[in-house]
Amino acid sequence: DAGVTQSPTHLIKTRGQQVTLRCSPKSGHDTVSWYQQALGQGPQFIFQYYEEEERQRGNFPDRFSGHQFPNYSSELNVNALLLGDSALYLCASPQSRDPLKYFGPGTRLTVT
Amino acid sequence: GDSVTQMEGPVTLSEEAFLTINCTYTATGYPSLFWYVQYPGEGLQLLLKATKADDKGSNKGFEATYRKETTSFHLEKGSVQVSDSAVYFCALTGGFKTIFGAGTRLFVKA
Repeated sequence: DAGVTQSPTHLIKTRGQQVTLRCSPKSGHDTVSWYQQALGQGPQFIFQYYEEEERQRGNFPDRFSGHQFPNYSSELNVNALLLGDSALYLCASPQSRDPLKYFGPGTRLTVT
Repeated sequence: GDSVTQMEGPVTLSEEAFLTINCTYTATGYPSLFWYVQYPGEGLQLLLKATKADDKGSNKGFEATYRKETTSFHLEKGSVQVSDSAVYFCALTGGFKTIFGAGTRLFVKA
C-alpha cells in the first residue's frame, strides 16, 4: 500500500515562470493538504482540498492555487514565481481530524 | 491566531545525555498537540501526539505531556543516541490545518 507520493522530487524554475506540483494521497484517503517549508523553518499551511474543493486556506497569495481530481490526487500551481517561493513543498493526506501522520517526501523547488 | 513557539537550536548533546526541547502554544479551544521529527534528507514523521490535557504521548523513548495550565508540550528523552540527530517540530491542530513551530535542530555527539 503506497503512502503519499509526490512528483517531481526536485524542480528548478526561473523567476516569473509557473510551476505545477503533484500529489497522490494515501490509498483510501480523500483529503489533501499542502504545506510550504522554507529552509530552516517549519511547514506553513497553504490549503486543503476535499471533495474537489478548497476547504481552508492559509496566508498565501492568489498566485498559489490548487486542484483536486475525482481520484483524490491533487495539484499545486504557483504562478509568477518569486525567489522567495524556493522551498520544500509537502503534501499530506489527513483522515478526518486525525493527526497528519502521512506526509509525502516533498518536492524541492528552487527559483533562480 | 493559533501559534507554536519552540526553543531555538541547535541543541548539542553528548550520547546518553538527557534531552528537553521546550514548546509552548497559543490556541483557542482545545487543540491536539504533536511532535514531528525530520531526519536529514527525509520527510516529516509523526513522533508522538496528545489529544487532551494531561495526556502523555510517547514513542521511541521520547515523551511529552500536554500541560494546559502552562500551555506547554515539552519533548523529553532520558538518554539520547547519535541516531536521534534531526530537526524536531512541535505542532498543533487548528481546524483543518496543522500549525508548526520553527523547529529545533538536535546534534548528538558520540
